[in-house]
Amino acid sequence: DAGITQSPRYKITETGRQVTLMCHQTWSHSYMFWYRQDLGHGLRLIYYSAAADITDKGEVPDGYVVSRSKTENFPLTLESATRSQTSVYFCASRQDNLREQFFGPGTRLTVL
Amino acid sequence: LAKTTQPISMDSYEGQEVNITCSHNNIATNDYITWYQQFPSQGPRFIIQGYKTKVTNEVASLFIPADRKSSTLSLPRVSLSDTAVYYCLVVFYKAAGNKLTFGGGTRVLVKP
Repeated sequence: DAGITQSPRYKITETGRQVTLMCHQTWSHSYMFWYRQDLGHGLRLIYYSAAADITDKGEVPDGYVVSRSKTENFPLTLESATRSQTSVYFCASRQDNLREQFFGPGTRLTVL
Repeated sequence: LAKTTQPISMDSYEGQEVNITCSHNNIATNDYITWYQQFPSQGPRFIIQGYKTKVTNEVASLFIPADRKSSTLSLPRVSLSDTAVYYCLVVFYKAAGNKLTFGGGTRVLVKP
């Protein structure tokens, strides 16, 4: 299906475990982004990527790792999950600097 | 420090016009302002984007004064389905890389 998808949609894990959230887009957009949204709050940028093999930190990158070996995929890894990383994670993509971002449906992550 | 501020919430009634203002200090000359709408358990959805003066599309208008220190999203004749959280997003262009800053979101409740 065309668009931007995230998997899994829901994930429960334990403190200290490694978790990878997947993001896939079919538009060949140059830019991809990862945000977290804590309950009742706005979105904060974790990492973004301007193209394959180009990534940069956002506002809250600590504890997260990203990679972008292919244009269509932008996985986000929590190397050692902590309770403070319990949140809803949104992936987004954008064609260039000026146009709208298209958001995925989100992944609800709970760290016990 | 680039910062984006918007009211936490506002109530309205069906058929009224809703205006939401976002303050964005230190916005640079070539920065755009974008507004998104978010319903519960969904990713944000693009509403409108502008650079200066006024922009209008089929769902909203965006007013940006000459000093560009704020912008106002105007939703004409709202309906119950416009109940959502509205976010402004400012892209601050910096030499070290673009900085995306979302406002904290404005929760709009449209009453019958």
